[in-house]
Amino acid sequence: EAEVAQSPRYKITEKSQAVAFWCDPISGHATLYWYRQILGQGPELLVQFQDESVVDDSQLPKDRFSAERLKGVDSTLKIQPAELGDSAMYLCASSFNPGQGASEQYFGPGTRLTVT
Amino acid sequence: GESVGLHLPTLSVQEGDNSIINCAYSNSASDYFIWYKQESGKGPQFIIDIRSNMDKRQGQRVTVLLNKTVKHLSLQIAATQPGDSAVYFCAETSNSGYALNFGKGTSLLVTP
Repeated sequence: EAEVAQSPRYKITEKSQAVAFWCDPISGHATLYWYRQILGQGPELLVQFQDESVVDDSQLPKDRFSAERLKGVDSTLKIQPAELGDSAMYLCASSFNPGQGASEQYFGPGTRLTVT
Repeated sequence: GESVGLHLPTLSVQEGDNSIINCAYSNSASDYFIWYKQESGKGPQFIIDIRSNMDKRQGQRVTVLLNKTVKHLSLQIAATQPGDSAVYFCAETSNSGYALNFGKGTSLLVTP
């Protein structure tokens, strides 16, 4: 069964350091999402890609966060510099073709980030 | 912004009983809804979805009911098993964006 892959699964970093997360969506899924989930809450969208283009990054803190999906397949989310409040689970999801209406999103296992 | 919320933060049921998890949403433009199950330390797992042109959809041991009049969504799990213990999230979106808006989650605990 196809799955969304993410790495690393866990990351501990000191504040002010740079950190990067990688996501490989399900093959053929044009839409890729990065969500952040604080413990005890639901995921919240950070950025959405359609192929290689950003379609929504309104909730992405652009002073420190960046995301790219250069070839429209895998994606990287970067934080520089990391702050204590960035400690959370970072989830990647993908869906097949939202151009024909919303469709189910499949999530990866997430990257648990701890900033010390 | 508009929100999706859950009525109960925790639900405890006995193994074999049926479970009902409720969700209220406020965005009248919402037209697609999903239920996810999330186990500790894992990503959300898709359970079942429903579009706004339907009021009921059934899967294996699960049923989702949608009442657009009162903006209410529920997930029914039949013959609940210990493996169903997890946090359950409802999420909604509309054709304008597709990104999901999640509620806070309900923790389901199944006791033997």
